[in-house]
Amino acid sequence: GDSVTQMEGPVTLSEEAFLTINCTYTATGYPSLFWYVQYPGEGLQLLLKATKADDKGSNKGFEATYRKETTSFHLEKGSVQVSDSAVYFCALNAGGTSYGKLTFGQGTILTVHP
Amino acid sequence: AAGVIQSPRHLIKEKRETATLKCYPIPRHDTVYWYQQGPGQDPQFLISFYEKMQSDKGSIPDRFSAQQFSDYHSELNMSSLELGDSALYFCASSFSLDEQFFGPGTRLTVL
Repeated sequence: GDSVTQMEGPVTLSEEAFLTINCTYTATGYPSLFWYVQYPGEGLQLLLKATKADDKGSNKGFEATYRKETTSFHLEKGSVQVSDSAVYFCALNAGGTSYGKLTFGQGTILTVHP
Repeated sequence: AAGVIQSPRHLIKEKRETATLKCYPIPRHDTVYWYQQGPGQDPQFLISFYEKMQSDKGSIPDRFSAQQFSDYHSELNMSSLELGDSALYFCASSFSLDEQFFGPGTRLTVL
């Protein structure tokens, strides 16, 4: 079945450090890929997405590129801020008969210190 | 911009009681999804509706049922509650098949 694997967490960084959170996926078709962010006590917010191979999603300084050859969608940010502290979920929508349901990775807790 | 509305935001129930969670999608969105997120876990898909018909089903217990009404709002009914049902329940809505917008969630605590 479809699955998403995220890097082990939690991740702790100093402000302005470079961030990478690894995400790999398994899917039978051609999925759409997403990164969602969840701040403490809040719901999930879509951070960025990519719908086909080699697409790059970007938002608020975060980027991720859909790599079909490595089945990956790693999240990167050049300079993190304290306000980026949250839980980050990689997810996929397998498309076709799935009617849009999302399959999530385990989530990665990011803590940024001043 | 209008967002997905869920009610109640918090709910406390005893074991074996029933609970009803409500979700009001973004206007003109025709698809609703329900997810369950246990403590420290990733959200798990429960069920979805498209144009008031069930479109997909995930790991939803038989004790749970859901429906989407003519105004597109949805309700998740949970009976014979167990301690393990304590979780954050998210509703999401979409117009396309891809991008889902999530509500703030209902935190259910079963005592």
